[in-house]
Amino acid sequence: DQQVKQNSPSLSVQEGRISILNCDYTNSMFDYFLWYKKYPAEGPTFLISISSIKDKNEDGRFTVFLNKSAKHLSLHIVPSQPGDSAVYFCAASVGTDKLIFGTGTRLQVFP
Amino acid sequence: GAVVSQHPSRVICKSGTSVKIECRSLDFQATTMFWYRQFPKQSLMLMATSNEGSKATYEQGVEKDKFLINHASLTLSTLTVTSAHPEDSSFYICSASNQPTGVAFFGQGTRLTVV
Repeated sequence: DQQVKQNSPSLSVQEGRISILNCDYTNSMFDYFLWYKKYPAEGPTFLISISSIKDKNEDGRFTVFLNKSAKHLSLHIVPSQPGDSAVYFCAASVGTDKLIFGTGTRLQVFP
Repeated sequence: GAVVSQHPSRVICKSGTSVKIECRSLDFQATTMFWYRQFPKQSLMLMATSNEGSKATYEQGVEKDKFLINHASLTLSTLTVTSAHPEDSSFYICSASNQPTGVAFFGQGTRLTVV
């Protein structure tokens, strides 16, 4: 049972444009959502998070949107840069319990 | 952000031997650490939750006698893969969390190859 889903395995975006990565979840008890960026053979790097009491959180070029009724969250990267090319994982947790990860979306930003 | 150090980053061992992987939180005390495993082109799969001073909680399907976890202090957790076999070859990653916000910081991962 995949509680956190990223249905797009890959995304290709031109430099300077917006990248939108999507994530769906099924467990309504999740109250904390996070996005991580991962390069091959490295551990994930925390990007941005949002609690269930909010619907938007912004940090520089990264904005996370949460739609609780749809059980959907998205990560917007504007403007996209070649250095953003990596695999992005969304994750969710109930309080400080274990993180449940999605399957990841490989983002490629081309010039 | 917080720093989590994992060692070694890469290890090759013979089948039947045991391998220990260390996970340290360098600038904060981690009451909880998590161990994940990642197969190629797949997501991070949680193996176990390690709590300081108590027994680890293993996820379903993870053999606790094969993957021994020790969390002896607030800054160190170890994962020992016992009697390793080629199918144990994988990328193992730890994370540490000590924040009510639930943000977990990850180590750099360990690539284990069993030959």
